[in-house]
Amino acid sequence: AQRVTQPEKLLSVFKGAPVELKCNYSYSGSPELFWYVQYSRQRLQLLLRHISRESIKGFTADLNKGETSFHLKKPFAQEEDSAMYYCALSRTSGSRLTFGEGTQLTVNP
Amino acid sequence: EAQVTQNPRYLITVTGKKLTVTCSQNMNHEYMSWYRQDPGLGLRQIYYSMNVEVTDKGDVPEGYKVSRKEKRNFPLILESPSPNQTSLYFCASSLQGADTQYFGPGTRLTVL
Repeated sequence: AQRVTQPEKLLSVFKGAPVELKCNYSYSGSPELFWYVQYSRQRLQLLLRHISRESIKGFTADLNKGETSFHLKKPFAQEEDSAMYYCALSRTSGSRLTFGEGTQLTVNP
Repeated sequence: EAQVTQNPRYLITVTGKKLTVTCSQNMNHEYMSWYRQDPGLGLRQIYYSMNVEVTDKGDVPEGYKVSRKEKRNFPLILESPSPNQTSLYFCASSLQGADTQYFGPGTRLTVL
């Protein structure tokens, strides 16, 4: 079975501080991992996925297969980063998609 | 505009009264799915469809039905809703497989 865990339900940082949102997964095969974001009153949208290896809005995430983690990082948080963030996993063959519980990030001025 | 639409956006109903939430996409996506979002539990997949006439259970399918007769539509059916199905429901689609998901605006359902 595939599972995604986001250990922090709430995370609060000050503007300009580094932020790391944790994501751990369990899956025996080779996973595809995603980060989705939901800003207030907006639809869920993709933030980034590990196979693209790009930085979006200053965020990066590295897949660590040894630690089965896919933590999301940003060196300098901005107030507009305040949102709910979800980590998600699918098999490379792509059928079921499993989301974590979500982390509500608040960036204080 | 490429998008996923859901209707209704808000629904209050009573226990046992059958309801359908519609979902439609105009992007010619093969994959469609339904999720429910509950505080502390995140998003949980209810059902998904890899293509027309192909549907499969997600993590929490009990009490729900789906159908995929056309590529663009993927309705969610609650034959006999119960209060524990009170939730925020999202439909999503992707080009193929569980690829990048494009989400609808959500349907807030309350079952009394």
